[in-house]
This record gives sequence, C-alpha cells and structure tokens, in this order.
Amino acid sequence: GEDVEQSLFLSVREGDSSVINCTYTDSSSTYLYWYKQEPGAGLQLLTYIFSNMDMKQDQRLTVLLNKKDKHLSLRIADTQTGDSAIYFCAESIRATGANNLFFGTGTRLTVIP
Amino acid sequence: DGGITQSPKYLFRKEGQNVTLSCEQNLNHDAMYWYRQDPGQGLRLIYYSQIVNDFQKGDIAEGYSVSREKKESFPLTVTSAQKNPTAFYLCASSRQGANEQYFGPGTRLTVT
Repeated sequence: GEDVEQSLFLSVREGDSSVINCTYTDSSSTYLYWYKQEPGAGLQLLTYIFSNMDMKQDQRLTVLLNKKDKHLSLRIADTQTGDSAIYFCAESIRATGANNLFFGTGTRLTVIP
Repeated sequence: DGGITQSPKYLFRKEGQNVTLSCEQNLNHDAMYWYRQDPGQGLRLIYYSQIVNDFQKGDIAEGYSVSREKKESFPLTVTSAQKNPTAFYLCASSRQGANEQYFGPGTRLTVT
C-alpha cells in the first residue's frame, strides 16, 4: 500500500532556511504536493510537483524531488514566524479513475524568533 | 467568494447519537472528499464522490455515511456505530481529472 513518511517536528530560527523532508513508497505517483495547516484550520495547498520534474521554485519555496530515492523535500527560505504550522506532503496515485491523495503524518514547524 | 465551507466549526454530541457534518462548495468542482485527522497522524480518507449520486468508501468508512444529492453539497453522518468519533473532520473538493484538492476549514467533533 501507499506509505508516506515525514518527521514529526522541526525547529528553526527566524531568518534561517527550513527543509522539510518526505519519503514515499509508491513509484507510480503522478503528482506530489505540499500543504500547510495552521492551528485549527483546514489545509492550504502550497505547491506541487509533477513526478517527471526534479525541482520547482515558487518565491521562498523550493521543492526537490528525487524519484530514484522516492524523496521529496520542501525548502522555505528566510523562514518567518508566520511559517509556523504543520506541513503535509501528499502523493497522488491514479487508480480506478479517482485522484485520491495519500498524506504523510505532517511535520510541525516551529519558528523561533 | 468561491470556496468550501464547513459548519459548524465545533460540534459536541453525546455518545450514541448520530450527527451530520455539513460541507458546501461553490467552486463547481465535481469531486468531493471527507477526511478524518487525529493528532500525530496524517489525513485518512473516509468517503469520496466523483459525481452527483455516486460515492465510494475510503480507507476508514465504517461507522460513517454520506450522500451526494447536489453537486455543491456532500454531508457526512457520523453514526453511533463509529467507535471513536472524536476527531477533526476535513472536507475537500477538486475538479474532475485534476489532482489538487482544496480544503474547507474543518469541523472539530467531540463526542462524550
């Protein structure tokens, strides 16, 4: 079955870069996503990468995909206190016509002022 | 404003009672989803619907039921058969054939 793993916690100092890592097991994934969840709120789509890409950059966010190692990372440059949240990676596997997502456990990012 | 709404934000029920959580979207999305979130765990799929009048069980459908009578609405009923219903429930939607899902703000259900 699908298994998406993330470390549970990450702390960084304000202004530093954060790197949140994710590993997945299903090599037939088509898209990989990063979502952000602030306390008591729903998930906000941050960015996504197609499985045939290695890298995608969007302002302070850089997504790196190593398909051989099934490893996905999200780098946040110049981390701010407003970046404190839980970050989920998710993979999309096209099966029976449904675009279901499989989520990791989430990484709680704490930004220290 | 386009988006997904869930109501209420907080819901309290006594054990043994059924409760229905609301999810409405005005994004004209065909597909809708219900997830459950527990502390320290990722989201787990309860039910999904790709089209009106059709829905499929997800990974943890036992003790839950849904309906999809209108494109805009996908209510979830948590029945008394659900052994551990206290959780944060998230609804999402997506365009047919698209991969990205858009989430509502969630409903926190507490059953005592």
